Amino acid sequence: AQSVAQPEDQVNVAEGNPLTVKCTYSVSGNPYLFWYVQYPNRGLQFLLKYITGDNLVKGSYGFEAEFNKSQTSFHLKKPSALVSDSALYFCAVRFLGENDRGSTLGRLYFGRGTQLTVWP
Amino acid sequence: DARVTQTPRHKVTEMGQEVTMRCQPILGHNTVFWYRQTMMQGLELLAYFRNRAPLDDSGMPKDRFSAEMPDATLATLKIQPSEPRDSAVYFCASGETGLATDTQYFGPGTRLTVL
Repeated sequence: AQSVAQPEDQVNVAEGNPLTVKCTYSVSGNPYLFWYVQYPNRGLQFLLKYITGDNLVKGSYGFEAEFNKSQTSFHLKKPSALVSDSALYFCAVRFLGENDRGSTLGRLYFGRGTQLTVWP
Repeated sequence: DARVTQTPRHKVTEMGQEVTMRCQPILGHNTVFWYRQTMMQGLELLAYFRNRAPLDDSGMPKDRFSAEMPDATLATLKIQPSEPRDSAVYFCASGETGLATDTQYFGPGTRLTVL
């Protein structure tokens, strides 16, 4: 079964400090992992994804994520946090079912989300 | 800037009433997903379509929920009759297959309150 865990409901960090939002996963087969961000009263916005290749993936707004197969983790990071980064962050894993043959687009299983607050 | 649009953005209704939510996927996208977000359950997939055909609706309560794609530019999610436990934010997302792209793009959501 596919699942994603975000062990922290909340992460607080001071502006200018590095931030990490944690994600661990459980999948059958190769993992296809995503990070999305949700601002208040908005839909989810795609940040970055890992499909294959380099373990360090760079995405939007200066975010990056490190894929670690041995630890089954995909933590989101940013070297220097901004107040405007405050939002709800979701990690997700893609699952390709029988109906998705020939496609790279399948359903996503999301974590519960981590509320990031960056203090000025 | 292509976006997924959803209407209405907010809906307040009374228990037992029919609710219809609409989604316009990004032009050219052939896969549409419906998700529901609640505090208790988080984000969960209700159903999804590819080329207008339903692929998986196992996440939907079959007795009251229905999802359709009358054409490639419109997806609908209907609840009849609605219940207070249906109160949630309903998101539509779309994506395109065939180009080795696997990103889903989300709409702003419909916030449903059933009294």
